[in-house]
Amino acid sequence: GAGVSQTPSNKVTEKGKYVELRCDPISGHTALYWYRQSLGQGPEFLIYFQGTGAADDSGLPNDRFFAVRPEGSVSTLKIQRTERGDSAVYLCASSPSADPYNEQFFGPGTRLTVL
Amino acid sequence: AQRVTQPEKLLSVFKGAPVELKCNYSYSGSPELFWYVQYSRQRLQLLLRHISRESIKGFTADLNKGETSFHLKKPFAQEEDSAMYYCALNTNAGKSTFGDGTTLTVKP
Repeated sequence: GAGVSQTPSNKVTEKGKYVELRCDPISGHTALYWYRQSLGQGPEFLIYFQGTGAADDSGLPNDRFFAVRPEGSVSTLKIQRTERGDSAVYLCASSPSADPYNEQFFGPGTRLTVL
Repeated sequence: AQRVTQPEKLLSVFKGAPVELKCNYSYSGSPELFWYVQYSRQRLQLLLRHISRESIKGFTADLNKGETSFHLKKPFAQEEDSAMYYCALNTNAGKSTFGDGTTLTVKP
């Protein structure tokens, strides 16, 4: 079946602009995770959803970052007033549930470059 | 707060040699630990999880709660094992923490 997909694969924007990154999880997966990965580092947790609600958004760096999952499937990560420091690969993952034993299935990532 | 440390950024071994990728964690609760692998131009994927006590592609990992470690081992490395390896910890609350990864190169 189809895996996790993310669009766009690459996004180049200018400092101060608004961007939206989309994640399509595996069908039926109720848990959805967003991570940010900077060069030379591991994935850094941003937020995770269980269904439609954000169960833990403690990793969002500031109020410029926001994520939604209105119907419990597709999720959008929104970044306002982008800064050069936001440049990174943004990864999305989904899991059958938020049970800690569960494997997470990762998407290919969106590479965001803020000029 | 939880933390995962992978002390080696780079690890290089010859084909057929044993390999050990180190992972140490700190977490006050009972952790669920995983190893993920990313091959060149592929997405991150699960290699193994401690709860399953399984061997995947010849790799094993033992959780040592006394040393708070979850090192990944393989007795005879193969060239196709060359990849980036990440150790990850899941908490009961569902949050995941990853280490910064180790790049393994297996030389012919």
